[in-house]
Amino acid sequence: DADVTQTPRNRITKTGKRIMLECSQTKGHDRMYWYRQDPGLGLQLIYYSFDVKDINKGEISDGYSVSRQAQAKFSLSLESAIPNQTALYFCATSDAGGEGGELFFGEGSRLTVL
Amino acid sequence: QKEVEQDPGPLSVPEGAIVSLNCTYSNSAFQYFMWYRQYSRKGPELLMYTYSSGNKEDGRFTAQVDKSSKYISLFIRDSQPSDSATYLCAMGRVSFNKFYFGSGTKLNVKP
Repeated sequence: DADVTQTPRNRITKTGKRIMLECSQTKGHDRMYWYRQDPGLGLQLIYYSFDVKDINKGEISDGYSVSRQAQAKFSLSLESAIPNQTALYFCATSDAGGEGGELFFGEGSRLTVL
Repeated sequence: QKEVEQDPGPLSVPEGAIVSLNCTYSNSAFQYFMWYRQYSRKGPELLMYTYSSGNKEDGRFTAQVDKSSKYISLFIRDSQPSDSATYLCAMGRVSFNKFYFGSGTKLNVKP
């Protein structure tokens, strides 16, 4: 089983709908992240959490919200989806004490907003 | 200006070629420099990381950091078709586990 699991892997929805992307991890890491990947723009940080009680905005948090339900679970919500939120979303974890700050990514959730 | 700039490619080379991938950055506070490899329909995986300036070698891969020029490189020797992927550079600061990514360079190694 994957260490970082994202659900759903693919989702097509309509403008205005509420969408939740879920992430769970078995690595025991405290730090979790949500990134968005668009062609030509690389990975952009949406939100990050360094522990269950800590939530921080990233570069592009507008239109998104997150919930850290437990150390192992971090979900991303789009309250009212719009077409320019069509993208590939990645959840990642890191170990606060790890060297190099390595990020461990899930396999991604592809979201299409019509 | 973006924090990290990376040529998106695509870069197409014959098997066995030496590949050079590069990134430039603007923030002199960056101390960790990383290269991730991303296969199609997969999440990125850490390939190499270096701390501060210098070179680091791992098999066919060499990562190079020049902090004075704010320029990092990844060299792949004897490239293989299995190296075909998108390569993303990333960098960050020691005191803060937050990373800035380049846009990625797509590499195709032809048999």
